[in-house]
Amino acid sequence: GAVVSQHPSRVICKSGTSVKIECRSLDFQATTMFWYRQFPKQSLMLMATSNEGSKATYEQGVEKDKFLINHASLTLSTLTVTSAHPEDSSFYICSARPSEAGGDEQYFGPGTRLTVT
Amino acid sequence: TQLLEQSPQFLSIQEGENLTVYCNSSSVFSSLQWYRQEPGEGPVLLVTVVTGGEVKKLKRLTFQFGDARKDSSLHITAAQPGDTGLYLCAGANNAGNMLTFGGGTRLMVKP
Repeated sequence: GAVVSQHPSRVICKSGTSVKIECRSLDFQATTMFWYRQFPKQSLMLMATSNEGSKATYEQGVEKDKFLINHASLTLSTLTVTSAHPEDSSFYICSARPSEAGGDEQYFGPGTRLTVT
Repeated sequence: TQLLEQSPQFLSIQEGENLTVYCNSSSVFSSLQWYRQEPGEGPVLLVTVVTGGEVKKLKRLTFQFGDARKDSSLHITAAQPGDTGLYLCAGANNAGNMLTFGGGTRLMVKP
């Protein structure tokens, strides 16, 4: 149980284009999902908290107009990187916190490798 | 802002050796999770510790939560090459709705 999927796993796009990444909780509902960014050989940095049915909460320094988050259902959150630039190239990972769980655990997706050329 | 210091950052050992990874903070966490991440994949949850002083064992891995819930350690006994990976600790805030990650420990176990 507690499986989270991400699509696509890898994407290459040109500068100036937009890319959408999907995060799905496959066997549980998640009121809250999280989006992280990870640079090579570094830890995870929280970008934003995605709340079903309401606006996402962004961490300091993360541009909300550049990283659009939509959490339209209890099993799906999407991250759209708008007007992508090479510096946006990174490993993006989502996680989901089961709505009915009493603990603090988050379950992570397999990540999406974004390369902007 | 809650910070979590993880050490060491890198560790290269021979198969069969023991090792300990530490996570320290000046903040109190409601719980602390340990994850293991392979290259190109997402972190996989190993364990959650909740109670101060709690000790959990997972085969050759022993996890401990400090009495004050500000620090934690991961001890691996008789490390195997399959233990190679990035180990991450993450503390949950009091609301339990956000994780703060440590910097990670990159472990390499040589056969």
